[in-house]
Amino acid sequence: AQKVTQAQTEISVVEKEDVTLDCVYETRDTTYYLFWYKQPPSGELVFLIRRNSFDEQNEISGRYSWNFQKSTSSFNFTITASQVVDSAVYFCALSEWETSGSRLTFGEGTQLTVNP
Amino acid sequence: NAGVMQNPRHLVRRRGQEARLRCSPMKGHSHVYWYRQLPEEGLKFMVYLQKENIIDESGMPKERFSAEFPKEGPSILRIQQVVRGDSAAYFCASSLLTSGTQAKNIQYFGAGTRLSVL
Repeated sequence: AQKVTQAQTEISVVEKEDVTLDCVYETRDTTYYLFWYKQPPSGELVFLIRRNSFDEQNEISGRYSWNFQKSTSSFNFTITASQVVDSAVYFCALSEWETSGSRLTFGEGTQLTVNP
Repeated sequence: NAGVMQNPRHLVRRRGQEARLRCSPMKGHSHVYWYRQLPEEGLKFMVYLQKENIIDESGMPKERFSAEFPKEGPSILRIQQVVRGDSAAYFCASSLLTSGTQAKNIQYFGAGTRLSVL
C-alpha cells in the first residue's frame, strides 16, 4: 500500500535561513506522481509542484527547489532565504498510476514557521 | 478564471442534522475529488467522481455519507445525521484528464468547508 511520511511535524526558522522539508514515500507501482502543496493560515491548499517517477531531474522555481531521489524514495523540498510569508503547513502527496487511480495519498504535513 | 469554489466556507450543525457541502470545479474540469482533514491531521481521500458517475469511493465511510456530481450543477457531499466526529475540514479538488492519453493531471483544491458539529 502507498504511504507518505513527513517526519518533521514542525520546523521553526529565522527569516533568510534555508530550510528543507523531508518527504519519504512507499509504493509498489513503477509509475507514480509526487506532489507538494502549501496550506497557508487562511486554509486553502495551493499546488506547488508535480513530478513523475521517470523524471529525476531536480527542479528550481525561484526560492523553491525540489530534490527527487528514487534510490532513497525521497522527494525533499528546500526553501532558500525563507520569508515570513512562507509560514504554512506543507504537504507532500503521492498518486499511484497502476493501483490506486487518481487519488492522492498525503503525508501528515510539516508546519513551517518563519520568524522575522 | 475562477478556481474550485466550495460553499459554504463554514457550516455549523447540531448532532443528527444533515450537512450538504457543495463544490463547483474549475472551468473545463469534469473530475472531482473530496478529501477530509481531521484536526491536526493530513488529508484523507474520500471519493472520486466524474459527471454522473462515482469512480472510486473507497475512502467514504459506509454509512451516512454520500456524494454526487450531476450533469448540471455542483458536486454535493452529503452527510446525514452528523456526529461530533464528523467535525473536520472538507476539501474538494478538480482535475482535467486527457481522455486520449489517460495522462494524470494536477488536482486543484478549493478553500474547503469547515464543518463544526455541536
